[in-house]
Amino acid sequence: GENVEQHPSTLSVQEGDSAVIKCTYSDSASNYFPWYKQELGKGPQLIIDIRSNVGEKKDQRIAVTLNKTAKHFSLHITETQPEDSAVYFCAASFYNQGGKLIFGQGTELSVKP
Amino acid sequence: DADVTQTPRNRITKTGKRIMLECSQTKGHDRMYWYRQDPGLGLRLIYYSFDVKDINKGEISDGYSVSRQAQAKFSLSLESAIPNQTALYFCATSDFRDLIDTQYFGPGTRLTVL
Repeated sequence: GENVEQHPSTLSVQEGDSAVIKCTYSDSASNYFPWYKQELGKGPQLIIDIRSNVGEKKDQRIAVTLNKTAKHFSLHITETQPEDSAVYFCAASFYNQGGKLIFGQGTELSVKP
Repeated sequence: DADVTQTPRNRITKTGKRIMLECSQTKGHDRMYWYRQDPGLGLRLIYYSFDVKDINKGEISDGYSVSRQAQAKFSLSLESAIPNQTALYFCATSDFRDLIDTQYFGPGTRLTVL
């Protein structure tokens, strides 16, 4: 069935280092790949997204890359700061389910000062 | 997102009680969703609605029911709560503009079933 796998489940980095979170998806017809950040006690918030006709997108310190052939996409955070500490979710749209999203299991990122 | 509100924010109840969680949105979106979050299991879809007359089961609908009272309101009910329904519950909305399902989440409801 359709699914999204996300790795790693936990990630600890030093402030200033880069962090990379990777996801794979099963539906080759998926056309939309958002990333969400969930801070403690809050709902997930969209931070960046990419569509299938684009290979890379950048917004300040965060970037997302997409490899359609391999069916994987990644979130890159550079120059990490303590406020980047949160749970991050990837998601992919599934065409045969009305385009709705299926989420990865989440990555808990900890940035140590 | 302040445009998506959930009530209550926290609820403690006992096994066997009927519970209703409510979601309201001012974004004018047709699509609404209910998710459950457990530690290490990410966001699992309970029910979703693509418009007022459309209700669909998600991957974990057993023990839950929903009502789409209007475009802006989508309620989740636990007819007879059990302890393993203790979790964080999130409502989300989307407009599926340009065939893209960008979802906006509410602040969540923390439910504890004793």
